[in-house]
Amino acid sequence: DIQMTQSPTSLSASVGDRVTFTCRASQTIDSYLNWYQQKPGKAPNLLIYAAASLQSGVPSRFSGSGSGTNFTLTISSLQLEDFATYYCQQTYRTPLTFGGGTKVEIK
Amino acid sequence: EVQLVESGGGLVQPGGSLRLSCAASGFTFSSYWMSWVRQAPGKGLEWVANIKQDGSEKYYVDSVKGRFTISRDNAKNSLYLQMNSLRAEDTAVYYCVREGILTGSSFDYWGQGTLVTVSS
Repeated sequence: DIQMTQSPTSLSASVGDRVTFTCRASQTIDSYLNWYQQKPGKAPNLLIYAAASLQSGVPSRFSGSGSGTNFTLTISSLQLEDFATYYCQQTYRTPLTFGGGTKVEIK
Repeated sequence: EVQLVESGGGLVQPGGSLRLSCAASGFTFSSYWMSWVRQAPGKGLEWVANIKQDGSEKYYVDSVKGRFTISRDNAKNSLYLQMNSLRAEDTAVYYCVREGILTGSSFDYWGQGTLVTVSS
């Protein structure tokens, strides 16, 4: 199975900050990497697919990059509504696996 | 508008069975792979199983193989998850998910989830 490792597991940031999360795959997954945002009590929401493509309706302050085994999600200017947990996921091979998540909290 | 509505969750004793359903609308259901994803209380996301458009291919996470069965009825625009021999560790919110066609098989639409609690 492909293991997905996210770092950090949590971070504290302020509105307006630029924040970057990382996701590492245990083997190459080309660009089959997706990012999701989840708020408490809600279903996850797709932000980025294929490592760097912005899902329709997602604000442009979100961006993704990477290929192979190392990936990043960046929020260029953190907004109040961005405080949530973020998950990466590989869809290169079954079982389709998620990272453990990064929780973004208000500083 | 794409909608996925799960039902069938509830409290079940260890060793028991439950069948989850997902009613899909707002898109051509028969054109998409579909998945089930679960989330244990306070934990992360875990993909459970998926099924090809015509039901000819099905894949499962190891922890549910032999116990869970994914199926679909394209005439009824419905996805199912038959869960047998349930264990405490199967307790989770179960989400019905559509796998996107032009989005690298990412999970582009999610239902609201249905809670399954396995406890005596």
